[in-house]
Order: sequence, then C-alpha cells, then structure tokens
Amino acid sequence: DTAVSQTPKYLVTQMGNDKSIKCEQNLGHDTMYWYKQDSKKFLKIMFSYNNKELIINETVPNRFSPKSPDKAHLNLHINSLELGDSAVYFCASSQRQATYEQYFGPGTRLTVT
Amino acid sequence: RKEVEQDPGPFNVPEGATVAFNCTYSNSASQSFFWYRQDCRKEPKLLMSVYSSGNEDGRFTAQLNRASQYISLLIRDSKLSDSATYLCVVNAGSWGKLQFGAGTQVVVTP
Repeated sequence: DTAVSQTPKYLVTQMGNDKSIKCEQNLGHDTMYWYKQDSKKFLKIMFSYNNKELIINETVPNRFSPKSPDKAHLNLHINSLELGDSAVYFCASSQRQATYEQYFGPGTRLTVT
Repeated sequence: RKEVEQDPGPFNVPEGATVAFNCTYSNSASQSFFWYRQDCRKEPKLLMSVYSSGNEDGRFTAQLNRASQYISLLIRDSKLSDSATYLCVVNAGSWGKLQFGAGTQVVVTP
C-alpha cells in the first residue's frame, strides 16, 4: 500500500539517451511534484502539477518534460541525457496546491555515463 | 546567500543526550516552516511543522524566531534511530513551492 511510488528505482544510461521516470500516488492528492537532489544534497523543485495542470515550472532545461495523464500520475521524460543530469529524482504529492506537507516517493537514482 | 542555510554537521551525539541546531532563511515573507528527516539513501519525510509559538512532538521541539529569521530543532534523549539528516524547509511563495536546506547530519552514538 505504498503511498507514492516511482519506477525505476535505479537508472543507468549513456549520454544522449532519452529516458522516462514514472510516479504514482494513491493518496487521492491533487498536487504532484518533481524534485532533483544533486550530489550536494540540495533538493530543488523542478515541476508541480495540480489536477493535471502545470503550476510550477522552475528553470529547468527543456530537455525535461513532465506529463500528467491524470491527477494520480506524474511522469518525467528526459531527452538527450547529460552527465550533469545524474542525481536522485524524487516525486512528491500533497493534498492541495497550497498545502506544504508533501509526501515523497522513494526516489529514482539516475546515473548518466 | 542561500535561501535556506543549515550547518551541515555532523553533530555527533551520545545516546540519551540533547542536540539542537538551527537554520536561517532569507525570505522574510515566508509563512510556513517545517523540519523533514531524510535517512541515508531514502526519501525525505515530514518530521514536524513549526508554529509561531513553538511546538513539541514527543522528544522533538521546534522553535521559530521571525525577527532573526531562523528556526531551530531540539532533540531530547537522543536515540540511535534519530541518526539522520534533518532538512529545514521553508515555503517560497504560493503554489506549494518549498525551499529546502541542504540538511544537518545527526549521528547518535552508543
């Protein structure tokens, strides 16, 4: 009965490839997020969707494209992967868009070689 | 200046002792404050919200000082299971946008 799940957990790929990470929440929350945690451990928000609508889009290269087919799912597609994309990507959800209590998925550790 | 700054530690704490640490934030308009906990190679989890009057949750006490723009976390009677990185989190405007500090590592030793 995992609340926020992500697949895959680990992803090792070569530069230039395209990859996707999937996220699902079964909490009935309206809002979902993608965060990136780099080697310095800073967690930075990338995107947020509320009821399938994009509401936060931080300064992220346009190689990153989120997609929300429904409010329980938020996927992240990355084109032309670069070495600097190596990080842990966390999906999170919250009950509503102005609710700051967020529940995180287990993370996807992406390594670009 | 970083939006949210924390002493990275590590704070090495004997089991049973008390440890306290702060975090400072730069946005004076911030209204919501939290402490999250992150175990090694795991996801962050909400530990507690921080209220203006200060609040306690078991062995954990959080304080907010708006004038000096810092929040603090105190852990009493430390347990081995308290070993983790504690992330200071501040809201950065509306829409649920949170600003995370890089974390303070706490290591509780037997």
